[in-house]
Amino acid sequence: DSGVTQTPKHLITATGQRVTLRCSPRSGDLSVYWYQQSLDQGLQFLIQYYNGEERAKGNILERFSAQQFPDLHSELNLSSLELGDSALYFCASSPEDSAYGYTFGSGTRLTVV
Amino acid sequence: DQQVKQNSPSLSVQEGRISILNCDYTNSMFDYFLWYKKYPAEGPTFLISISSIKDKNEDGRFTVFLNKSAKHLSLHIVPSQPGDSAVYFCAASALGGTSYGKLTFGQGTILTVHP
Repeated sequence: DSGVTQTPKHLITATGQRVTLRCSPRSGDLSVYWYQQSLDQGLQFLIQYYNGEERAKGNILERFSAQQFPDLHSELNLSSLELGDSALYFCASSPEDSAYGYTFGSGTRLTVV
Repeated sequence: DQQVKQNSPSLSVQEGRISILNCDYTNSMFDYFLWYKKYPAEGPTFLISISSIKDKNEDGRFTVFLNKSAKHLSLHIVPSQPGDSAVYFCAASALGGTSYGKLTFGQGTILTVHP
């Protein structure tokens, strides 16, 4: 158990729908990161929150949004889903805004049908 | 624009031999490099890292080498064990940049160690 909890583990939904992925960071970590891994691809950085504020944005679609709550858990919202959004979505956390001490969760596998 | 590349999708080695996984990068702002190991149905697990002020870092059976002039790093596993079979990702960070925590990943290399 890495200490980073992602729910749900699996999600199957139809095109056009909206889903919310949840991440609880490791205790004490202030930064939360979201990554997308499509088939046979590396992990693509989506967005980072640090202590409740957005810190960095990657190649995140406008249909996607995220937030970090006061208790530091984070949610990634995906709307108007398309078949190409099917992927593994990983959350990671770190103590500060730094690549040191990065810990990944086990991911949410999203399948859009 | 693939800033971190792992050009070998797969590597197969015999147990007890050396495994060498390679990674190239293009962004000269990268100054911290990491290797992650990933098993199916699990998240990536940190393996070893190296700062750009060093050219080598060792941790048990794992050694990472960094050649800044060539923008190339490699991970050596000696001796290789069947339990090392996994996908290995190279990642890079620009600690001196505006987003210190953002990691840029390579596509991964599937390592298979045969008994």
